[in-house]
Amino acid sequence: GESVGLHLPTLSVQEGDNSIINCAYSNSASDYFIWYKQESGKGPQFIIDIRSNMDKRQGQRVTVLLNKTVKHLSLQIAATQPGDSAVYFCAERTHNDYKLSFGAGTTVTVRA
Amino acid sequence: DAGITQSPRYKITETGRQVTLMCHQTWSHSYMFWYRQDLGHGLRLIYYSAAADITDKGEVPDGYVVSRSKTENFPLTLESATRSQTSVYFCASRPTSGSSNEQFFGPGTRLTVL
Repeated sequence: GESVGLHLPTLSVQEGDNSIINCAYSNSASDYFIWYKQESGKGPQFIIDIRSNMDKRQGQRVTVLLNKTVKHLSLQIAATQPGDSAVYFCAERTHNDYKLSFGAGTTVTVRA
Repeated sequence: DAGITQSPRYKITETGRQVTLMCHQTWSHSYMFWYRQDLGHGLRLIYYSAAADITDKGEVPDGYVVSRSKTENFPLTLESATRSQTSVYFCASRPTSGSSNEQFFGPGTRLTVL
């Protein structure tokens, strides 16, 4: 079965608000956690990753939080824009293996 | 253009036919991957390759065959297509070196098996 999953399949957010997308994982051996964005009709695109020895990492308008105690991962998007409408996937991998295991995805819709 | 390409983008075939999906990347990345994407399942790994002539099974390899005679190409063959193989197929690649976890995905092939 899947070791990575998302709490909610859909998320509707008002333009300009912050978005929080959640992900739960079960593999304690996972060393890296990654977020991908997939726009309609396109392949997934890397957003940001975090290693298991970190609890927070920031990128451009995005922040990933990792809580290993409860095996929870989240992606925060600041000032959500219409271009952020997409499906977001979390994924995980172990240190010595480049294979990724993906969750089912959360569809984010931005309301104007 | 540089990047990762897939062909065809759309394919309709019949049950029992052999189908080959092509994937080509211009970065000389060592690793290449094939995923299928179905509603409710996210992306599931079919096969992957660490280098030319080195391939290995992923999560859902049954019914698929791959080869990697050249670094830049990683074709996926459905030897006898079934309706359950109707899906969107994505190819991806990544370099061996570097700390990034980024895999670069192609645009996908939408396959329908009638």
